[in-house]
Amino acid sequence: GENVEQHPSTLSVQEGDSAVIKCTYSDSASNYFPWYKQELGKRPQLIIDIRSNVGEKKDQRIAVTLNKTAKHFSLHITETQPEDSAVYFCAASTGANNLFFGTGTRLTVIP
Amino acid sequence: DAGVIQSPRHEVTEMGQEVTLRCKPISGHNSLFWYRQTMMRGLELLIYFNNNVPIDDSGMPEDRFSAKMPNASFSTLKIQPSEPRDSAVYFCASSPQHTGYEQYFGPGTRLTVT
Repeated sequence: GENVEQHPSTLSVQEGDSAVIKCTYSDSASNYFPWYKQELGKRPQLIIDIRSNVGEKKDQRIAVTLNKTAKHFSLHITETQPEDSAVYFCAASTGANNLFFGTGTRLTVIP
Repeated sequence: DAGVIQSPRHEVTEMGQEVTLRCKPISGHNSLFWYRQTMMRGLELLIYFNNNVPIDDSGMPEDRFSAKMPNASFSTLKIQPSEPRDSAVYFCASSPQHTGYEQYFGPGTRLTVT
């Protein structure tokens, strides 16, 4: 089955700096890669996703890149703000109703 | 759009008791998923439904767990009998696509079994 690895497990950045979270996956059939943000005590929220036919996608301060050859994808947050502090999860899916999650990255933005 | 609705939000019960968690997916969504989240194991998929039909329940930990989806707007996850190791946050998610893309999570039910 699919194995998604995520790193780092914790990340601290100064407000205004950029943050990068990286994930790798094992199943070459995976073609959908979402990212979820989970604030303390809240639900995971879908913040951005990318399909395998696209190499990069941006939404304001958030971007995701995908390298299918190397089987890795990354989340980039620019101009970080304190409200970006949360746990971020990557996931991968082959489209067969499965979504395999990474173990999460706890991002802390220091004001 | 009210989003995915789950009830109760918190449940505290004693070992051996039956627990029923409820979920109302987003209207028009075809797929429904039940997840469990713990610090040790992260987010685990328990079971999912397409058009109210259970497709894969291989994530259900034991026979003590069962799930139903009697119609497109309601699903239940039942644990009988409950055990302390079942303590976790249980999330329900729904998706507008049969592929499982774009899953939207409910607020979760925090279950504590003493």
